[in-house]
Amino acid sequence: EVQLVESGGGLVQPGGSLRLSCAASGFTFSSYWMSWVRQAPGKGLEWVANIKQDGSEKYYVDSVKGRFTISRDNAKNSLYLQMNSLRAEDTAVYYCARDPQEMGDGNDAFDIWGQGTMVTVSS
Amino acid sequence: AIRMTQSPSSFSASTGDRVTITCRASQGISSYLAWYQQKPGKAPKLLIYAASTLQSGVPSRFSGSGSGTDFTLTISCLQSEDFATYYCQQYYSYPKTFGQGTKVEIK
Repeated sequence: EVQLVESGGGLVQPGGSLRLSCAASGFTFSSYWMSWVRQAPGKGLEWVANIKQDGSEKYYVDSVKGRFTISRDNAKNSLYLQMNSLRAEDTAVYYCARDPQEMGDGNDAFDIWGQGTMVTVSS
Repeated sequence: AIRMTQSPSSFSASTGDRVTITCRASQGISSYLAWYQQKPGKAPKLLIYAASTLQSGVPSRFSGSGSGTDFTLTISCLQSEDFATYYCQQYYSYPKTFGQGTKVEIK
């Protein structure tokens, strides 16, 4: 079964750091672009970042540039999001998501999503 | 960033109705558009990509159309399991952006 499972969420103080993980199974992880998408409570979806199959290209939404870092370990079938200098407005459920095309170019939608992990930034 | 605007933001409908949701992009995005369905507490589910291509396993009552800046999602005969929030998303350029969502409620 194709599956993505996020972990690492929790409560953190403003200015703090957190590292999210996403464990992939059931497909050749190293062949797909991967993304993080977040959803603030009661709000819509916001794409956060994505990373190419070999990690050589990364893109971010402006609001997290310089604070968040996306990375992957293909040997461990895992995707990560290092979040530093966290703000209240980063409070959200964070989903990892997969592009549909094997060996795609990153210009794509998201066909597989994890269940999400909640990040709460509050003092 | 390309702004995606959905209309309406919410509406009520009955089982069996034909419903249409509109999504407008602030600039042309060719056919680089996807539609998702999200139910409370669940992850989004891909329904349509490339503006009009049905994702595998999605019922044929869902259809999409449009190109450039104006797009529609149509549900031909609303079923009870279709009451949810629907989002459009462009993947023409970075940052990938979503519409604000359209909530379909039971009348």
